[in-house]
Amino acid sequence: DTAVSQTPKYLVTQMGNDKSIKCEQNLGHDTMYWYKQDSKKFLKIMFSYNNKELIINETVPNRFSPKSPDKAHLNLHINSLELGDSAVYFCASSQMGQGAEKLFFGSGTQLSVL
Amino acid sequence: DAKTTQPPSMDCAEGRAANLPCNHSTISGNEYVYWYRQIHSQGPQYIIHGLKNNETNEMASLIITEDRKSSTLILPHATLRDTAVYYCIAETGTASKLTFGTGTRLQVTL
Repeated sequence: DTAVSQTPKYLVTQMGNDKSIKCEQNLGHDTMYWYKQDSKKFLKIMFSYNNKELIINETVPNRFSPKSPDKAHLNLHINSLELGDSAVYFCASSQMGQGAEKLFFGSGTQLSVL
Repeated sequence: DAKTTQPPSMDCAEGRAANLPCNHSTISGNEYVYWYRQIHSQGPQYIIHGLKNNETNEMASLIITEDRKSSTLILPHATLRDTAVYYCIAETGTASKLTFGTGTRLQVTL
């Protein structure tokens, strides 16, 4: 069983379209994240949800809207896609506690905007 | 978040120990040292973390200096499958948002 699974793995779309990426974790974790890795391989956090509540929201265009229907799922919807949105998007999860947190990542969704 | 500095790349012969250094001279007392790696086209993978003491698990050992200003990740017997980018991160645990730098690209060769 895959611990953190993302779909789709590849997403090719035209500028201006709206698309969604889904993420599910079966680890029983209470915190989920979206990270973006650009063409230069920098990995940056976008959002974090804890028990369905948004706790981290980095400087991300409001075209990006995360949604967490329950603590096992965190989906990412992107409106009006732009060329600069092309990147690999990683979902991750962790169990928030009082000490160190280990993040478990999905295998990524490669988004190509044409 | 404390800034970390790592060499951009390193080579290691298969079967030998790979020692990956990391400087984090501005680390604060409540910040952990985490190590992750990213194998090509995969998501980052947690390796190990520590606060003050040295740590060992089935993947690697983490040696943290007494002043906590630097650390070394040790892969005791590197294999070709250990070829990856290794990230050292200094970060608090609670409500963390791990900030990945540029990491060290480790190339394990025959």
